[in-house]
Amino acid sequence: GQNIDQPTEMTATEGAIVQINCTYQTSGFNGLFWYQQHAGEAPTFLSYNVLDGLEEKGRFSSFLSRSKGYSYLLLKELQMKDSASYLCAVRQLSGNTPLVFGKGTRLSVIA
Amino acid sequence: DSGVTQTPKHLITATGQRVTLRCSPRSGDLSVYWYQQSLDQGLQFLIQYYNGEERAKGNILERFSAQQFPDLHSELNLSSLELGDSALYFCASTLAGASTDTQYFGPGTRLTVL
Repeated sequence: GQNIDQPTEMTATEGAIVQINCTYQTSGFNGLFWYQQHAGEAPTFLSYNVLDGLEEKGRFSSFLSRSKGYSYLLLKELQMKDSASYLCAVRQLSGNTPLVFGKGTRLSVIA
Repeated sequence: DSGVTQTPKHLITATGQRVTLRCSPRSGDLSVYWYQQSLDQGLQFLIQYYNGEERAKGNILERFSAQQFPDLHSELNLSSLELGDSALYFCASTLAGASTDTQYFGPGTRLTVL
């Protein structure tokens, strides 16, 4: 089966750092994506991890541990515009679904 | 702007009706994916096409069908609509159908069934 877990909601303060976790159990593994989605808008690509370790891209970093079925997205120097949902998505090796999405974590950045 | 276009942006219709949603992929992309996103659900994969042929099928209801045309645009047809079909419908495209491709999403069509 396939299962992707993320916290439903998180709140953090402007200027702070927040870590959004994602755990997964899928039919094989062929990469993990993080997307940002503002309410009512399209998901936009943030990062992609296929090997263990940390990928850094500006204020955003994403980490993957394949042995633990675990990833996190780290957002630094939070800005109000970072208030959005963050979707973890896993690409499977087999199964009918090319990309399985978690339900997303709704992040609220407060002053 | 991802380069993926979807029309219409909003659609309001009644139960029992049929609608068609349209998607044009990014220039050069051959593969199109359709997703449904309800209020309390994540993105649910419906179906994928690659260069005109069905490549993968997810949790797509029998009342729903899709196709990809020679010019690579795609249409998602929803029939015998029910209240529960109200959702955001997204289309995404990739260069090829390979599992390593990043999917780029269109702005979505918000369907409201009354």
